[in-house]
Amino acid sequence: SAVISQKPSRDICQRGTSLTIQCQVDSQVTMMFWYRQQPGQSLTLIATANQGSEATYESGFVIDKFPISRPNLTFSTLTVSNMSPEDSSIYLCSVDWSSRSDTQYFGPGTRLTVL
Amino acid sequence: EDKVVQSPLSLVVHEGDTVTLNCSYEVTNFRSLLWYKQEKKAPTFLFMLTSSGIEKKSGRLSSILDKKELFSILNITATQTGDSAVYLCAGATSGTYKYIFGTGTRLKVLA
Repeated sequence: SAVISQKPSRDICQRGTSLTIQCQVDSQVTMMFWYRQQPGQSLTLIATANQGSEATYESGFVIDKFPISRPNLTFSTLTVSNMSPEDSSIYLCSVDWSSRSDTQYFGPGTRLTVL
Repeated sequence: EDKVVQSPLSLVVHEGDTVTLNCSYEVTNFRSLLWYKQEKKAPTFLFMLTSSGIEKKSGRLSSILDKKELFSILNITATQTGDSAVYLCAGATSGTYKYIFGTGTRLKVLA
């Protein structure tokens, strides 16, 4: 099966700064997704990232706060901008190999703590 | 508004017990119901269910979907300490490939 990696695995950041999270897949995929999981909560979709088009953001998430890049079919980045302690979460990317299993598989996640 | 509700929120059992986890859903343009196991950060895929009444089985885990009652269950037999995790279910929608996750059931299996 394909491998999904994320960098960094974890980070501790100061408020007001920004962090870019990378998601790399070892095979080409059409759709990539970014999720947030706040402490004790379930997963919430931030946006869907398709190669060659602007990311589609869910209600409550905006591009200025969470800019996303999708330069090719194996890579995406999510930036958490102007961070506050409320942004402390696990951030997960996932991919949907629509041509295969129609199921999303998740990367290992990035645990972000904002002080 | 789409929603997925799981019960119980948490569960503590002893090794060897059998557990049943519940998931009810209200999802517009429902496509499938998925179960994941989350031990640390990354949810790992367990089952995808699209048809009512057809049990999916993997070792000691099994799951079934009832599309009439908008309900799914995940059964784990002969539980082991390695089954301790948060179990998430998600409803998938047609067209958007969007998943709506429940809040999860935290299972703790005691030796």
